[in-house]
Amino acid sequence: AQTVTQSQPEMSVQEAETVTLSCTYDTSESDYYLFWYKQPPSRQMILVIRQEAYKQQNATENRFSVNFQKAAKSFSLKISDSQLGDAAMYFCAYRRTYSGGGADGLTFGKGTHLIIQP
Amino acid sequence: NAGVTQTPKFQVLKTGQSMTLQCAQDMNHEYMSWYRQDPGMGLRLIHYSVGAGITDQGEVPNGYNVSRSTTEDFPLRLLSAAPSQTSVYFCASSMTARFNYGYTFGSGTRLTVV
Repeated sequence: AQTVTQSQPEMSVQEAETVTLSCTYDTSESDYYLFWYKQPPSRQMILVIRQEAYKQQNATENRFSVNFQKAAKSFSLKISDSQLGDAAMYFCAYRRTYSGGGADGLTFGKGTHLIIQP
Repeated sequence: NAGVTQTPKFQVLKTGQSMTLQCAQDMNHEYMSWYRQDPGMGLRLIHYSVGAGITDQGEVPNGYNVSRSTTEDFPLRLLSAAPSQTSVYFCASSMTARFNYGYTFGSGTRLTVV
């Protein structure tokens, strides 16, 4: 079974600075997808960014980018120019490529609570 | 553009009671799923469906039942509520299971079993 580990239960960063959230995963699959989700106090789960394992280029979405190291099974999220609205729980998630025999869902890490200091 | 709608948002049950958590999507998504979120545990998959009439178990299915009679609806039934089922429940959908489009999540149901 796949596992996703987020080793930082909580991170704090000054507004306008850069912060990196760590995520490692364990899988025997060669093709899969990785995601970062944001959960603000409203409880809504919001997709931040996703990465296909077969793509070597790191995904970016505006101020959010990832550092995907497939051999090391590492998938960190970098948030640049942190804003107060970035304060939330961040979850790393894994999904294996759909094989046609089933569609097991996302495997989540336990989350990192990001605090933005004004 | 309702997306994924979950009802109710909050619920308190007594041990042994049964209830149904509702989930509806209006995006014609093929794939729907239920997760529970417990403190310090992340989200864990309960059941999922790849289309009307097709359901399967996830990681933590015990104590829950699902059915999918239409594309739009995917209710989650608690047969006999237990305090261990106190959690926040999320419904999520995706256009298809075949390609990894992003999931759309509902806003969650906070369930307390006393």
